[in-house]
Amino acid sequence: GAVVSQHPSWVICKSGTSVKIECRSLDFQATTMFWYRQFPKQSLMLMATSNEGSKATYEQGVEKDKFLINHASLTLSTLTVTSAHPEDSSFYICSARDLTVDYEQYFGPGTRLTVT
Amino acid sequence: GQNIDQPTEMTATEGAIVQINCTYQTSGFNGLFWYQQHAGEAPTFLSYNVLDGLEEKGRFSSFLSRSKGYSYLLLKELQMKDSASYLCAVMDSNYQLIWGAGTKLIIKP
Repeated sequence: GAVVSQHPSWVICKSGTSVKIECRSLDFQATTMFWYRQFPKQSLMLMATSNEGSKATYEQGVEKDKFLINHASLTLSTLTVTSAHPEDSSFYICSARDLTVDYEQYFGPGTRLTVT
Repeated sequence: GQNIDQPTEMTATEGAIVQINCTYQTSGFNGLFWYQQHAGEAPTFLSYNVLDGLEEKGRFSSFLSRSKGYSYLLLKELQMKDSASYLCAVMDSNYQLIWGAGTKLIIKP
């Protein structure tokens, strides 16, 4: 089956620093990648949708200058949390799909970000 | 607006059967997904329904009625490892997933 990896799986950073999270589709080409965040005991919240080679589409309320998304290739997307603050601490999950195959989204294992 | 409703929490006994309901109102419909999510982990795919009817896959079955905007996930022969959150998601006319808040299923021995 399709596999999506994320790196790092967890990260602790100091307030004011930036953190980059990578999302890779290992055995398929991801025409679209999605970034979600999830707070404890809450459901997934879509942050942005990115198509390879084009700018990401951000959901309402998500600051595009704070959460930089780059989808440079069909197998890699990155999310950079700039000038992180404690309220950015969350579980960040990416998913990917190949619309030429089917509509299913394949999820990465998630990245636990803690900002101190 | 778009809306997905599912119960917040359910409790069931090991070995029993449980049905988790999901109702939806979305702009367009391109299928309904069920995902399982264990605490601290990413969601894993369980089922996809785009036509009316019941889809069976081992101990898990998923049902869809498009005219009623309704789906359910049926779990049989419950095991302790089935304790998790179950997320209902509908793909709208833009092929975006609209997520429910999830149903936390607690299995008791």
